[in-house]
Parts: sequence; C-alpha cells; structure tokens
Amino acid sequence: AQSVTQLGSHVSVSEGALVLLRCNYSSSVPPYLFWYVQYPNQGLQLLLKYTSAATLVKGINGFEAEFKKSETSFHLTKPSAHMSDAAEYFCAVSSGNTPLVFGKGTRLSVIA
Amino acid sequence: DVKVTQSSRYLVKRTGEKVFLECVQDMDHENMFWYRQDPGLGLRLIYFSYDVKMKEKGDIPEGYSVSREKKERFSLILESASTNQTSMYLCASTPIAGGHNEQFFGPGTRLTVL
Repeated sequence: AQSVTQLGSHVSVSEGALVLLRCNYSSSVPPYLFWYVQYPNQGLQLLLKYTSAATLVKGINGFEAEFKKSETSFHLTKPSAHMSDAAEYFCAVSSGNTPLVFGKGTRLSVIA
Repeated sequence: DVKVTQSSRYLVKRTGEKVFLECVQDMDHENMFWYRQDPGLGLRLIYFSYDVKMKEKGDIPEGYSVSREKKERFSLILESASTNQTSMYLCASTPIAGGHNEQFFGPGTRLTVL
C-alpha cells in the first residue's frame, strides 16, 4: 500500500522568504510523485511531477521539488514567496496502474 | 486545454434526498475519479472508472454509487443523503491507465446536506 505524509497542516512565511513544504511517501515499488495546488474555491492544479527521470523537478510558478529515494521524500520549495502563492498544497503518490493517493494537505499563508 | 466540468458549484439538499453529482470531461479521457475533500483529511477516493460501464470502489465507497454510461460523463449518486456527506466533491480524469499520468480536476461541488 502507498501513503503520503505531509508535515505541517499549516505553514506561514513572509513575502520573499523561502517556501519549504514537506512530503514523505511510502511505496513498495518505484513511485510517481506529484504536487498539486488548490486556490480558494477551485479544483486542484498540477504544479509538478516526478516520473523517474531527473530527480530535481521544476514546475510552474517557480516551484521545484527534489526526489530523494534514501529519505523517501519529495519536498516542495520556492526561493521567494509571493502573496499569490497562498493556497493549499497536496502531495500525491502513485505507482503502476494505481489511482493517486493524496496527503492531507498543507495550507500556505504568505505574510506581507 | 483539458476541461473537466461539474454540474453545480454549490448544492443544498435535505437528509434522505437522492442526489446526483455530474462530471463531464471533453478530452476523451479513459479514466475518471470521484473524491471528497474534508478539512484535515485531504482528498479521499470514493469511486473510479477505467472504462464505460466499469467502476471500482475507492477508499470510502459506503453511501455512494456511480454511473458511467458514456465515456465523457461520470456521475456520483448519493442514494439517501445524510449530514455526514456534507463535503466538497471533486471529479478528475486522466487519459490512459498509468500512474505517471496527471489527473485533471474539475472546480468541485460543495454539497451541504441539512
């Protein structure tokens, strides 16, 4: 069975500061890993995904994530937070033909 | 652009009513999914379908059923709505089987059961 743990249900950063959202996964087979973002009153939108190519994955809006097999982690980062980054972020894992398994989400607040 | 639409953004129903939530995708995707989203619980899979007239139970199917008569449409049915089914419901689709494929989400339906 696969699972995802997102550390911190709520993260608050100052505008211009580093954003770090943590995700650890569990999978018995090589995983596919995703980060999605959800803005208020909207559906989820893909930020980036890891599919066994490069371990450092770049996504939209300046976000990136690094796959670390030894740490079973796929943390999301952005060098400089912007007010428009305030949203809820979900990490998800899949393998083979299985549906995505989502983490519980991390709400990011950006303080001016 | 892939578009996944859901029939209602907001819905208010009474306990015991039969509720239909409709989802339509316009990109000929094979796979469709229904999730519910609750604060602190993330997204939980209710049902999914890999083909027309095919359905598979997800993690929390109790109290729900689904219908997929056409490839582009996937309906979620609450046979007898209860207050604990008050939630945000999200539909998603993906082109073919394979865990590497991105899921495309609709805007969600916020259902309140009184």
